Amino acid sequence: AQSVTQLGSHVSVSEGALVLLRCNYSSSVPPYLFWYVQYPNQGLQLLLKYTTGATLVKGINGFEAEFKKSETSFHLTKPSAHMSDAAEYFCAVSVRGNNRLAFGKGNQVVVIP
Amino acid sequence: EPEVTQTPSHQVTQMGQEVILRCVPISNHLYFYWYRQILGQKVEFLVSFYNNEISEKSEIFDDQFSVERPDGSNFTLKIRSTKLEDSAMYFCASSELGPAGDTQYFGPGTRLTVL
Repeated sequence: AQSVTQLGSHVSVSEGALVLLRCNYSSSVPPYLFWYVQYPNQGLQLLLKYTTGATLVKGINGFEAEFKKSETSFHLTKPSAHMSDAAEYFCAVSVRGNNRLAFGKGNQVVVIP
Repeated sequence: EPEVTQTPSHQVTQMGQEVILRCVPISNHLYFYWYRQILGQKVEFLVSFYNNEISEKSEIFDDQFSVERPDGSNFTLKIRSTKLEDSAMYFCASSELGPAGDTQYFGPGTRLTVL
């Protein structure tokens, strides 16, 4: 079964600094990869996803992620953190023939002014 | 923008009681899901539902759980006899298509507390 590992439950970043959230997956077949964001009292919102094609994926709010098969990774980055980026971020994986999403534990991002 | 809604936002119940969590998926979506997140743990898949039947379920989704689409808009999760360990945030999601890779849109969740 597929799985995702996200290290570091809490991540602090200074406003204007690079945001880097790491996601490594485990799957025996080609994966579909997702990053979701959850703001307080809201549902999970899709930031971006990789299914096929270009391995560098751009999402909303200036985020992007790169699928690296050789490293089984799908790290999320944003060049310059904004206060509004404070939220919880979840990486998730699914595979063809299986509708379920398998989530990582999430990263709570705190942006320091 | 269309969104998934869930009611109630918070539910407190006594152990052994039945609870029904309600969801209204996005109107043109065909696949519906329930996930849960126990405090401090991962978001876990419970069940997917398509064409009025369960298409996939996890090992968590045992006989105490059931799902239903009672009308054209609602999608419900029933827990027959709640246990302390059922305390969690329950998320409903829907997708337009089923195949893996299609975006699942999530509701804000129902926090269930079992006393």
